[in-house]
Amino acid sequence: GESVGLHLPTLSVQEGDNSIINCAYSNSASDYFIWYKQESGKGPQFIIDIRSNMDKRQGQRVTVLLNKTVKHLSLQIAATQPGDSAVYFCAENEVNRDDKIIFGKGTRLHILP
Amino acid sequence: DAGVTQSPTHLIKTRGQHVTLRCSPISGHKSVSWYQQVLGQGPQFIFQYYEKEERGRGNFPDRFSARQFPNYSSELNVNALLLGDSALYLCASSSPEAEQFFGPGTRLTVL
Repeated sequence: GESVGLHLPTLSVQEGDNSIINCAYSNSASDYFIWYKQESGKGPQFIIDIRSNMDKRQGQRVTVLLNKTVKHLSLQIAATQPGDSAVYFCAENEVNRDDKIIFGKGTRLHILP
Repeated sequence: DAGVTQSPTHLIKTRGQHVTLRCSPISGHKSVSWYQQVLGQGPQFIFQYYEKEERGRGNFPDRFSARQFPNYSSELNVNALLLGDSALYLCASSSPEAEQFFGPGTRLTVL
């Protein structure tokens, strides 16, 4: 069935180090992938997205990698800062089907001082 | 420019009651989607409306219904509330084939 999952529920990273959050998806028809950041008491905030015709996309301090062969998505955060502490969700969508976004369960990123 | 707004922010209801949650999209956005987020999990898609028409529906019972108004704001209604309906209800708005922007959510507690 359709599902998006994550390998680790919690990730602890030293401040200043790079963070890598991984995600596996199962719907081979998905062609649009998004990473969201959710801070406590807030709604999910868009970080970066990537379409299936790409394998890498970079933003400010963030990079998303897509490996369609193994249905794997990752989010890399460079020079992790205390403000990066949050739960990160990967999500997928079939663009030509509808706007339904399927979220994974989330990874909590904890920044160590 | 205001983002997606939702009201109320918090709500406490008892089992069997009904609830109406409201969402105002970002100005210019014609698509509104509703999600349910149970504590510790990712949001789950409930409905999507575009130009006042239901465009998608998730795996939720008929107790859940929604509508979109001519100004593109939306309401989510839940009847015969169950304890398991306690969750954060999120609204997101978007332009066609563009990213979705989420509101802060309405925290619903069913006692």
